[in-house]
Amino acid sequence: QKEVEQDPGPLSVPEGAIVSLNCTYSNSAFQYFMWYRQYSRKGPELLMYTYSSGNKEDGRFTAQVDKSSKYISLFIRDSQPSDSATYLCAMSARQGAQKLVFGQGTRLTINP
Amino acid sequence: ETGVTQSPTHLIKTRGQQVTLRCSSQSGHNTVSWYQQALGQGPQFIFQYYREEENGRGNFPPRFSGLQFPNYSSELNVNALELDDSALYLCASSPGIFKNIQYFGAGTRLSVL
Repeated sequence: QKEVEQDPGPLSVPEGAIVSLNCTYSNSAFQYFMWYRQYSRKGPELLMYTYSSGNKEDGRFTAQVDKSSKYISLFIRDSQPSDSATYLCAMSARQGAQKLVFGQGTRLTINP
Repeated sequence: ETGVTQSPTHLIKTRGQQVTLRCSSQSGHNTVSWYQQALGQGPQFIFQYYREEENGRGNFPPRFSGLQFPNYSSELNVNALELDDSALYLCASSPGIFKNIQYFGAGTRLSVL
């Protein structure tokens, strides 16, 4: 079993829709949770960084963490064609942790 | 743009050859991590360098090795290339205290024929 599971999609939605992206994990030591966006032929770009359980909002993006269920989500409101990319969740146990453990990534397409 | 630069952008090698990939970290960042991303997969941690010392390693064989220089730039070396080494190699830099806040470069795409 992988430490982090993420539905690879692909996910296709109309412009303006609310998008929900999710990851589950098995390692209860994870305390730091990130979402990265990766455009084709580019490196991952850090979107959200959260600690422990709760919600964090940044513009149209909301990250949600439920440690009791080992489940994290990223919501995108008013989705735009420019949001079309692969979204990767990542986790670490400590701030000083050497490695991030990534999900497989979900490919998202926003249709005009 | 993160300020993390990688070279070269693309590389084609044949099985058994050796390759060196390079990374310049973002200004002020003294920690560099390397990841391998196979097509359709998430990045897999190879190793991390902090202040010129290896600071953690993932499940990769010894033919994957690295260096970090006094200016915090880094190299990834892969010996005896195998077909399965074909992937996007990503470098990420982070400030020393917050090693898990990692900013990635655009990557080097390696094809092994």
